[in-house]
Amino acid sequence: QKEVEQNSGPLSVPEGAIASLNCTYSDRVSQSFFWYRQYSGKSPELIMSIYSNGDKEDGRFTAQLNKASQYVSLLIRDSQPSDSATYLCAVRVFEGNLIFGKGTKLSVKP
Amino acid sequence: ETGVTQTPRHLVMGMTNKKSLKCEQHLGHNAMYWYKQSAKKPLELMFVYNFKEQTENNSVPSRFSPECPNSSHLFLHLHTLQPEDSALYLCASSHSSRGSSYNEQFFGPGTRLTVL
Repeated sequence: QKEVEQNSGPLSVPEGAIASLNCTYSDRVSQSFFWYRQYSGKSPELIMSIYSNGDKEDGRFTAQLNKASQYVSLLIRDSQPSDSATYLCAVRVFEGNLIFGKGTKLSVKP
Repeated sequence: ETGVTQTPRHLVMGMTNKKSLKCEQHLGHNAMYWYKQSAKKPLELMFVYNFKEQTENNSVPSRFSPECPNSSHLFLHLHTLQPEDSALYLCASSHSSRGSSYNEQFFGPGTRLTVL
Protein backbone atom coordinates (compact mmCIF):
# COMPACT_ATOMS: atom_id res chain seq x y z
CA GLN A 1 0.00 0.00 0.00
CA LYS A 2 1.50 3.29 -1.10
CA GLU A 3 1.49 5.83 1.73
CA VAL A 4 2.34 9.45 2.27
CA GLU A 5 2.80 10.46 5.88
CA GLN A 6 2.59 13.94 7.34
CA ASN A 7 2.41 15.20 10.89
CA SER A 8 -1.15 16.48 11.26
CA GLY A 9 -0.11 19.31 13.55
CA PRO A 10 -1.15 21.89 14.30
CA LEU A 11 2.25 23.43 13.77
CA SER A 12 2.35 26.85 15.38
CA VAL A 13 5.06 29.39 14.52
CA PRO A 14 5.38 33.12 15.27
CA GLU A 15 5.14 35.64 12.48
CA GLY A 16 8.47 36.09 10.74
CA ALA A 17 9.81 32.65 11.69
CA ILE A 18 10.62 29.72 9.40
CA ALA A 19 7.93 27.06 9.18
CA SER A 20 9.18 23.56 8.37
CA LEU A 21 6.73 20.98 7.03
CA ASN A 22 7.77 17.38 6.54
CA CYS A 23 6.53 14.46 4.49
CA THR A 24 7.69 10.86 4.07
CA TYR A 25 6.56 8.39 1.43
CA SER A 26 6.68 4.64 1.14
CA ASP A 27 7.11 3.96 -2.60
CA ARG A 28 10.80 4.05 -3.54
CA VAL A 29 10.07 4.56 -7.23
CA SER A 30 8.17 7.81 -6.66
CA GLN A 31 9.32 10.39 -9.17
CA SER A 32 7.45 13.63 -8.63
CA PHE A 33 6.48 15.49 -5.49
CA PHE A 34 4.05 18.33 -4.91
CA TRP A 35 3.02 20.66 -2.15
CA TYR A 36 -0.50 22.06 -2.06
CA ARG A 37 -1.89 24.74 0.26
CA GLN A 38 -5.52 24.48 1.33
CA TYR A 39 -7.28 27.24 3.20
CA SER A 40 -10.25 26.26 5.33
CA GLY A 41 -13.30 25.69 3.14
CA LYS A 42 -11.30 26.09 -0.08
CA SER A 43 -9.76 23.72 -2.60
CA PRO A 44 -6.06 22.75 -2.74
CA GLU A 45 -3.75 25.18 -4.53
CA LEU A 46 -0.47 23.97 -6.02
CA ILE A 47 2.46 25.92 -4.59
CA MET A 48 5.54 23.81 -5.34
CA SER A 49 6.63 20.83 -7.40
CA ILE A 50 10.01 19.12 -7.18
CA TYR A 51 11.45 16.23 -9.17
CA SER A 52 15.18 16.07 -8.37
CA ASN A 53 17.14 15.66 -5.17
CA GLY A 54 18.11 18.92 -3.52
CA ASP A 55 16.43 22.26 -2.97
CA LYS A 56 14.05 24.24 -5.12
CA GLU A 57 13.26 27.82 -4.16
CA ASP A 58 10.31 29.98 -5.18
CA GLY A 59 9.96 33.24 -3.30
CA ARG A 60 9.55 32.50 0.40
CA PHE A 61 9.04 28.78 -0.27
CA THR A 62 11.78 26.14 -0.51
CA ALA A 63 11.05 22.50 -1.27
CA GLN A 64 13.68 19.94 -0.32
CA LEU A 65 13.82 16.39 -1.67
CA ASN A 66 15.91 13.45 -0.48
CA LYS A 67 14.94 10.33 -2.44
CA ALA A 68 17.38 8.09 -0.57
CA SER A 69 15.60 8.91 2.69
CA GLN A 70 12.16 9.07 0.98
CA TYR A 71 11.64 12.48 2.48
CA VAL A 72 10.36 15.78 1.13
CA SER A 73 9.95 19.01 3.05
CA LEU A 74 8.63 22.52 2.58
CA LEU A 75 10.20 25.53 4.26
CA ILE A 76 8.32 28.80 4.50
CA ARG A 77 10.56 31.75 5.33
CA ASP A 78 9.29 34.94 6.99
CA SER A 79 5.98 33.23 7.80
CA GLN A 80 2.91 35.45 7.64
CA PRO A 81 -0.54 34.99 9.23
CA SER A 82 -1.84 34.57 5.65
CA ASP A 83 0.25 31.37 5.41
CA SER A 84 -2.03 29.76 8.01
CA ALA A 85 -3.55 26.81 6.15
CA THR A 86 -3.31 23.07 5.75
CA TYR A 87 -0.38 21.94 3.59
CA LEU A 88 -0.82 18.75 1.60
CA CYS A 89 2.08 16.65 0.35
CA ALA A 90 1.43 14.59 -2.79
CA VAL A 91 3.60 12.00 -4.51
CA ARG A 92 3.44 10.31 -7.90
CA VAL A 93 5.14 7.33 -9.52
CA PHE A 94 5.71 7.11 -13.27
CA GLU A 95 2.32 7.25 -15.05
CA GLY A 96 0.67 6.86 -11.66
CA ASN A 97 -1.91 8.83 -9.75
CA LEU A 98 -1.23 11.35 -7.03
CA ILE A 99 -1.14 9.95 -3.52
CA PHE A 100 -1.93 12.59 -0.90
CA GLY A 101 -1.00 12.83 2.74
CA LYS A 102 -3.57 13.93 5.32
CA GLY A 103 -1.97 17.36 5.53
CA THR A 104 -0.28 19.46 8.18
CA LYS A 105 -2.19 22.37 9.66
CA LEU A 106 0.02 25.45 10.02
CA SER A 107 -0.87 28.36 12.28
CA VAL A 108 1.20 31.55 12.09
CA LYS A 109 0.67 33.75 15.15
CA PRO A 110 0.97 37.55 14.77
CA GLU B 1 -13.54 31.79 -17.20
CA THR B 2 -10.08 30.61 -16.29
CA GLY B 3 -8.66 27.52 -14.64
CA VAL B 4 -11.04 24.84 -13.44
CA THR B 5 -14.64 25.69 -12.62
CA GLN B 6 -17.24 23.61 -10.80
CA THR B 7 -20.98 23.96 -10.38
CA PRO B 8 -22.87 24.01 -8.16
CA ARG B 9 -20.66 25.21 -5.32
CA HIS B 10 -23.08 23.91 -2.69
CA LEU B 11 -25.67 21.15 -2.97
CA VAL B 12 -28.13 19.73 -0.47
CA MET B 13 -30.01 16.64 -1.56
CA GLY B 14 -32.17 13.93 -0.14
CA MET B 15 -31.28 10.28 -0.38
CA THR B 16 -33.82 9.69 -3.16
CA ASN B 17 -32.77 12.63 -5.33
CA LYS B 18 -30.77 12.57 -8.55
CA LYS B 19 -28.34 15.41 -9.16
CA SER B 20 -25.24 16.10 -11.23
CA LEU B 21 -22.00 17.93 -10.55
CA LYS B 22 -20.29 19.70 -13.42
CA CYS B 23 -16.64 20.51 -13.99
CA GLU B 24 -15.04 22.47 -16.82
CA GLN B 25 -11.35 23.14 -17.40
CA HIS B 26 -9.96 25.98 -19.51
CA LEU B 27 -6.30 24.94 -19.31
CA GLY B 28 -5.98 22.82 -22.45
CA HIS B 29 -5.49 19.67 -20.39
CA ASN B 30 -6.49 16.17 -21.45
CA ALA B 31 -6.83 14.41 -18.11
CA MET B 32 -9.58 15.07 -15.56
CA TYR B 33 -10.18 13.72 -12.09
CA TRP B 34 -12.85 13.46 -9.40
CA TYR B 35 -11.74 13.45 -5.76
CA LYS B 36 -13.69 13.22 -2.51
CA GLN B 37 -12.49 15.06 0.57
CA SER B 38 -14.00 14.16 3.93
CA ALA B 39 -13.03 15.56 7.29
CA LYS B 40 -9.93 13.99 8.85
CA LYS B 41 -9.20 11.89 5.73
CA PRO B 42 -6.72 12.32 2.89
CA LEU B 43 -8.02 13.26 -0.52
CA GLU B 44 -9.58 10.16 -2.08
CA LEU B 45 -9.24 9.67 -5.82
CA MET B 46 -12.54 8.50 -7.35
CA PHE B 47 -12.21 8.54 -11.13
CA VAL B 48 -9.62 9.43 -13.76
CA TYR B 49 -10.19 10.22 -17.43
CA ASN B 50 -7.40 10.50 -20.01
CA PHE B 51 -8.45 11.77 -23.45
CA LYS B 52 -12.13 11.12 -22.52
CA GLU B 53 -11.38 7.48 -21.63
CA GLN B 54 -11.92 6.34 -18.06
CA THR B 55 -8.60 4.96 -16.85
CA GLU B 56 -9.30 4.65 -13.14
CA ASN B 57 -12.30 3.73 -11.01
CA ASN B 58 -11.11 3.55 -7.45
CA SER B 59 -13.76 1.08 -6.24
CA VAL B 60 -16.37 3.80 -6.15
CA PRO B 61 -19.99 2.73 -5.41
CA SER B 62 -22.27 2.68 -8.44
CA ARG B 63 -24.43 5.46 -6.98
CA PHE B 64 -21.67 7.74 -8.33
CA SER B 65 -21.58 7.74 -12.13
CA PRO B 66 -19.01 9.82 -14.03
CA GLU B 67 -19.31 11.12 -17.57
CA CYS B 68 -16.65 12.77 -19.71
CA PRO B 69 -18.05 13.95 -23.06
CA ASN B 70 -14.83 15.73 -24.06
CA SER B 71 -11.46 16.69 -22.60
CA SER B 72 -12.81 19.93 -21.16
CA HIS B 73 -15.93 18.71 -19.37
CA LEU B 74 -16.51 16.20 -16.61
CA PHE B 75 -19.71 15.30 -14.80
CA LEU B 76 -20.50 13.30 -11.71
CA HIS B 77 -24.06 11.96 -11.63
CA LEU B 78 -25.42 11.23 -8.18
CA HIS B 79 -28.36 9.03 -7.23
CA THR B 80 -29.63 7.40 -4.03
CA LEU B 81 -26.75 8.75 -2.01
CA GLN B 82 -26.18 8.10 1.68
CA PRO B 83 -25.52 10.65 4.45
CA GLU B 84 -21.91 9.40 4.65
CA ASP B 85 -21.43 10.63 1.09
CA SER B 86 -21.57 14.19 2.39
CA ALA B 87 -18.19 15.72 1.57
CA LEU B 88 -16.34 18.21 -0.60
CA TYR B 89 -16.14 16.89 -4.17
CA LEU B 90 -13.19 18.24 -6.08
CA CYS B 91 -12.49 18.18 -9.79
CA ALA B 92 -8.93 18.50 -11.07
CA SER B 93 -7.22 18.54 -14.45
CA SER B 94 -3.72 18.02 -15.81
CA HIS B 95 -1.85 17.03 -18.93
CA SER B 96 -2.17 13.30 -19.45
CA SER B 97 -0.21 11.08 -17.09
CA ARG B 98 0.59 8.65 -19.94
CA GLY B 99 4.34 8.54 -20.46
CA SER B 100 5.01 11.02 -17.68
CA SER B 101 5.00 11.63 -13.96
CA TYR B 102 5.66 15.37 -14.07
CA ASN B 103 2.22 16.66 -14.90
CA GLU B 104 0.83 19.06 -12.32
CA GLN B 105 -2.81 18.84 -11.26
CA PHE B 106 -4.96 21.90 -10.74
CA PHE B 107 -8.12 21.82 -8.70
CA GLY B 108 -11.48 23.49 -9.09
CA PRO B 109 -13.18 25.21 -6.13
CA GLY B 110 -15.19 22.09 -5.24
CA THR B 111 -18.84 21.28 -4.55
CA ARG B 112 -19.83 21.02 -0.91
CA LEU B 113 -22.40 18.21 -0.88
CA THR B 114 -24.76 17.51 2.00
CA VAL B 115 -26.97 14.41 1.87
CA LEU B 116 -29.91 14.48 4.24
